[in-house]
Amino acid sequence: GQQLNQSPQSMFIQEGEDVSMNCTSSSIFNTWLWYKQDPGEGPVLLIALYKAGELTSNGRLTAQFGITRKDSFLNISASIPSDVGIYFCAGQRGSRLTFGEGTQLTVNP
Amino acid sequence: GAVVSQHPSWVICKSGTSVKIECRSLDFQATTMFWYRQFPKQSLMLMATSNEGSKATYEQGVEKDKFLINHASLTLSTLTVTSAHPEDSSFYICSARDWAGLFYEQYFGPGTRLTVT
Repeated sequence: GQQLNQSPQSMFIQEGEDVSMNCTSSSIFNTWLWYKQDPGEGPVLLIALYKAGELTSNGRLTAQFGITRKDSFLNISASIPSDVGIYFCAGQRGSRLTFGEGTQLTVNP
Repeated sequence: GAVVSQHPSWVICKSGTSVKIECRSLDFQATTMFWYRQFPKQSLMLMATSNEGSKATYEQGVEKDKFLINHASLTLSTLTVTSAHPEDSSFYICSARDWAGLFYEQYFGPGTRLTVT
């Protein structure tokens, strides 16, 4: 099935640094979502975007829904060790979610 | 609220046997649940959409006779992996859909690690 193109695949940063990751698709989605998955767990929703051009913040997280509805980015500011995990973008069309390949984030104290 | 549980959290079975995985919405009713499979270091791939009281809808390439889905109540969906083979070893994750005020949100379970020997 179709997957979203998510980059970068992995990131190694120092605590306190800012992080940015993005997703692109050749298709339009009604809603873009960003999830975090810890090892051995299911994904947890971080931010949901449902209007083209929308910029939404949740604490240190900021995400934007591209104006063309084909892309989105997620920024994490002032990273902390507990930010470690895999971040997935997902596009929603109807009831179906299509996930990106994930970004593995490692934060060094 | 909106908690989804899965049972078991991990299971080891022998090749050729069948394994049943349960997905429960604990504090809400879900007419629609979803089953995903995730291989190591890969993304979640939708296997099927489970609808309460009707047949599941399978994604292209997913064998419906091998992955049996039953959604007999508004809080329980089960996935049975029949005649399991080592290549079925994976992390199986379910989600349940609930109205979140502005859109339907999928709440994910903690996953079930299946190892077929």
